[in-house]
Amino acid sequence: EPEVTQTPSHQVTQMGQEVILRCVPISNHLYFYWYRQILGQKVEFLVSFYNNEISEKSEIFDDQFSVERPDGSNFTLKIRSTKLEDSAMYFCASSTNSYEQYFGPGTRLTVT
Amino acid sequence: GDSVTQMEGPVTLSEEAFLTINCTYTATGYPSLFWYVQYPGEGLQLLLKATKADDKGSNKGFEATYRKETTSFHLEKGSVQVSDSAVYFCALGDSGGGADGLTFGKGTHLIIQP
Repeated sequence: EPEVTQTPSHQVTQMGQEVILRCVPISNHLYFYWYRQILGQKVEFLVSFYNNEISEKSEIFDDQFSVERPDGSNFTLKIRSTKLEDSAMYFCASSTNSYEQYFGPGTRLTVT
Repeated sequence: GDSVTQMEGPVTLSEEAFLTINCTYTATGYPSLFWYVQYPGEGLQLLLKATKADDKGSNKGFEATYRKETTSFHLEKGSVQVSDSAVYFCALGDSGGGADGLTFGKGTHLIIQP
């Protein structure tokens, strides 16, 4: 069964550093998403991406964040200058033109 | 804006007990409703969904009915197992589907004791 994959599973970085989180969505999906989950809190939507551009973004997705689909398979989230409060689990998801979003296993980002 | 409210956890039950996890929502229009499950150390898995009023979603013995009149989507299972221990998230999506992000509740941690 096709699945969304994410790398790395755990990323540790120092405050102020740039990080790139990578995702490979399901191959025939058209919509791509990033969410985050701060420890013990709810899952929060960050951004959606369709047809090579951002479709929707939340208030959390400020100028420190960017997304890119550099080739036909990868979908990346970049945080330019990480803060302590960026520490969270980041989930990638993808979907067809339907109502079901399929989530990857997540990348745990720890900012020290 | 849209919001989802779930009962606070943890919820602790004995094996074979009946489960209800309450979920209510606030949204404009006619959202789609979902239950996701997160097992320890894993990502979110779609458990079931309903896209219009009175729809019943079901999977793995779990079910939930989209009640527009009470803006609810309660999750139920007749007889829980230890393997059902996980965190359950209620979520809603805009009726347009596609690029819209999901709005999640805070999650309910379910613990099933043998």
